[in-house]
Amino acid sequence: GIQVEQSPPDLILQEGANSTLRCNFSDSVNNLQWFHQNPWGQLINLFYIPSGTKQNGRLSATTVATERYSLLYISSSQTTDSGVYFCAVGTNTPLVFGKGTRLSVIA
Amino acid sequence: SAVISQKPSRDICQRGTSLTIQCQVDSQVTMMFWYRQQPGQSLTLIATANQGSEATYESGFVIDKFPISRPNLTFSTLTVSNMSPEDSSIYLCSVELGKTQYFGPGTRLLVL
Repeated sequence: GIQVEQSPPDLILQEGANSTLRCNFSDSVNNLQWFHQNPWGQLINLFYIPSGTKQNGRLSATTVATERYSLLYISSSQTTDSGVYFCAVGTNTPLVFGKGTRLSVIA
Repeated sequence: SAVISQKPSRDICQRGTSLTIQCQVDSQVTMMFWYRQQPGQSLTLIATANQGSEATYESGFVIDKFPISRPNLTFSTLTVSNMSPEDSSIYLCSVELGKTQYFGPGTRLLVL
């Protein structure tokens, strides 16, 4: 099956800093989504991005499908950005999740 | 977008018992998914539930342990049967609308 690797596994940022999270996947996919799981456990969909670049406020994501990776950019981080960020991929199948990047933003 | 509710939000159960988790969606959807998230871990798909057909289970999950019902296009249940402490996890219901996947708030299960 498809393998999904996320890096870094853990990240600590000072409030206001920028960060880049990476997702590598082992096979061609037609579905890639980024999620944020807040400290209370709720999963929020951030982006559906099988290719190209999207932006939503301080967050943006880029997927280079031909090279099998995706990047999530967080700018001017806030304490509310803390939590776990998951990348999930699939090809006409249910999504396979990576292990996530745990982000802690400190004031 | 989709609004998904789950009941119960959390429970503490004794080993050997069973718990049924309910999932309600505010839109009609073809497929509903059930995931398990063990403490500090990622999400693992248990099964895909289509209305009107048997659920499709992923490797390592069996119907006798995790029976699923899908009586209509907005509702599903997952039962965790004959529980052991290893079943202590968050159980999440999910749906796909358009090409976006949405998750319920989860059911936190502790088995003693």
